[in-house]
Amino acid sequence: DTGVSQDPRHKITKRGQNVTFRCDPISEHNRLYWYRQTLGQGPEFLTYFQNEAQLEKSRLLSDRFSAERPKGSFSTLEIQRTEQGDSAMYLCASSTDVSNEQYFGPGTRLTVT
Amino acid sequence: AQSVTQLGSHVSVSEGALVLLRCNYSSSVPPYLFWYVQYPNQGLQLLLKYTSAATLVKGINGFEAEFKKSETSFHLTKPSAHMSDAAEYFCAVRRGDSSYKLIFGSGTRLLVRP
Repeated sequence: DTGVSQDPRHKITKRGQNVTFRCDPISEHNRLYWYRQTLGQGPEFLTYFQNEAQLEKSRLLSDRFSAERPKGSFSTLEIQRTEQGDSAMYLCASSTDVSNEQYFGPGTRLTVT
Repeated sequence: AQSVTQLGSHVSVSEGALVLLRCNYSSSVPPYLFWYVQYPNQGLQLLLKYTSAATLVKGINGFEAEFKKSETSFHLTKPSAHMSDAAEYFCAVRRGDSSYKLIFGSGTRLLVRP
């Protein structure tokens, strides 16, 4: 059990560019979550997957955001046409379907210039 | 709708003193409650959770929390602060039914003075 991993850890991009983040959950965790955390705030839920099915999406997840988990293992979060307001820490978490405990990765810090 | 309020964005204690971090929640259904700790530039680590079993929950690193339904509170305590406890602490709530998302408070930064 190596924990939840996220790649990259840091991303600096120019406004208007597309970015993609990857999350690898703890093996055999079939639930995967994405959260966004801005400076001085708690994480805000974006979306979650049960295996490959995306079961819940926040209204925060605008049309520019898309998340996938095609094989029920790793997940990607893509932001198209980035805006400065997208600058935040993007956190991924995973859990089993019998546990209430979500285990978080180290996050990807996005800076949009 | 669920929500979490953490009173005090910053709490400062002396090393060896009692730590008390406050959390109040609102939930339309019996909730699950969690405390997480976050060190700078890191993800969140689960400290403890309440899932309708014992109302006094013990977690890692000597922390514990008590669920008080009548007060809708889930305050985090530690009898004696250590310098390594300095971090950001987040309280979170999850509905006790079909939704699995966590709703977080805005966090409390704990400062420990030598």
